[in-house]
Amino acid sequence: DAGVTQSPTHLIKTRGQQVTLRCSPISGHKSVSWYQQVLGQGPQFIFQYYEKEERGRGNFPDRFSARQFPNYSSELNVNALLLGDSALYLCASSLTGTPIYNEQFFGPGTRLTVL
Amino acid sequence: AQSVTQLGSHVSVSEGALVLLRCNYSSSVPPYLFWYVQYPNQGLQLLLKYTSAATLVKGINGFEAEFKKSETSFHLTKPSAHMSDAAEYFCAVSDARRGYQKVTFGTGTKLQVIP
Repeated sequence: DAGVTQSPTHLIKTRGQQVTLRCSPISGHKSVSWYQQVLGQGPQFIFQYYEKEERGRGNFPDRFSARQFPNYSSELNVNALLLGDSALYLCASSLTGTPIYNEQFFGPGTRLTVL
Repeated sequence: AQSVTQLGSHVSVSEGALVLLRCNYSSSVPPYLFWYVQYPNQGLQLLLKYTSAATLVKGINGFEAEFKKSETSFHLTKPSAHMSDAAEYFCAVSDARRGYQKVTFGTGTKLQVIP
């Protein structure tokens, strides 16, 4: 079975631009979470979506938005890019949004560089 | 808020030596804890998880971790390091009290294995 897939692998943007990152969860998984991993740090929670609804949001500005489609794939959008948005963006899928020990399966990530 | 602290951003061990990666948690409720491994330019892979069933948790690739409530610790160990263990390791805690799963990661420990 295919794991979590993300596209694109790498992306270079300039400040002020907008970017869309894509994620396809493991077949049968209904929950997708997004994380931002800045170089040298651990991943930071951005969003969780379950059954096409936003279930949770981390401490990120409104420039960050996401959605989940009927096939459970997801997009993360970031507007008005800042240099500080440069990071590895990870998508994780799980069967459901809870319980709290639900295993999340991570994709390889999208490396975003903002110049 | 729940959090984890990883002591030591870099750890070096000789091949065949004991691996010990330290993680301390802070939680007002019984925690659900994870260890993930990240190889260069890849996503995160779950090594093991603690869900209160047993204090000694065995994971993949010969790793195990022991939950010690009195010390608020969840250290990761492996009796004999292999070159393929060189990677970055993240301790994480899961929280679902708000109705969704939020995973908070530590800052990571890079493990170097010296031949």
